[in-house]
Amino acid sequence: AQSVTQPDIHITVSEGASLELRCNYSYGATPYLFWYVQSPGQGLQLLLKYFSGDTLVQGIKGFEAEFKRSQSSFNLRKPSVHWSDAAEYFCAVAVSGGYQKVTFGTGTKLQVIP
Amino acid sequence: SAVISQKPSRDICQRGTSLTIQCQVDSQVTMMFWYRQQPGQSLTLIATANQGSEATYESGFVIDKFPISRPNLTFSTLTVSNMSPEDSSIYLCSVEDSGANVLTFGAGSRLTVL
Repeated sequence: AQSVTQPDIHITVSEGASLELRCNYSYGATPYLFWYVQSPGQGLQLLLKYFSGDTLVQGIKGFEAEFKRSQSSFNLRKPSVHWSDAAEYFCAVAVSGGYQKVTFGTGTKLQVIP
Repeated sequence: SAVISQKPSRDICQRGTSLTIQCQVDSQVTMMFWYRQQPGQSLTLIATANQGSEATYESGFVIDKFPISRPNLTFSTLTVSNMSPEDSSIYLCSVEDSGANVLTFGAGSRLTVL
């Protein structure tokens, strides 16, 4: 079965600083990979996804993520963080086309300080 | 992408009672998913609901505790029965948004059991 590890439970960055959130997955084949964001009191919003092709994917709100097969990683990045980015971020993995078997990581809570 | 409405957005309930959460989608979808997010935890899939058939429950979740209805292609309900404080969670409805090939989530129903 697939699994997802987000090693950082909580990260604090200054507004305007760069951000990288780590995600490692375990799955035999090439998985479908996702990053979601959950703002306080909100549901999950998709930031970006990777299915195949270019390993650097662009998402909404200025986020990007890079798929590295050799490292089984799918890290999320943003060059300059805004205060409104404070939220919880979840990495997720799915078996190709099997949306009923999406596995989520434990999440990374991002705090942005002025 | 699909737009999902969940009701109630939050509720406070007494131990031993039951609560039904409604999920309405603005388009017809084949699969609907119910997730639980316990405080400080990631998302765990409770069950998959297909229209016209019994819901499929994940390990650790049973129909007597979490009965699900799926009367048509745009609507589903999840009931949390005989609630205890351990059921205090956010319950999220999700659909497979085939147009975007991702899971789309409702805003969630925050349940507190006293």
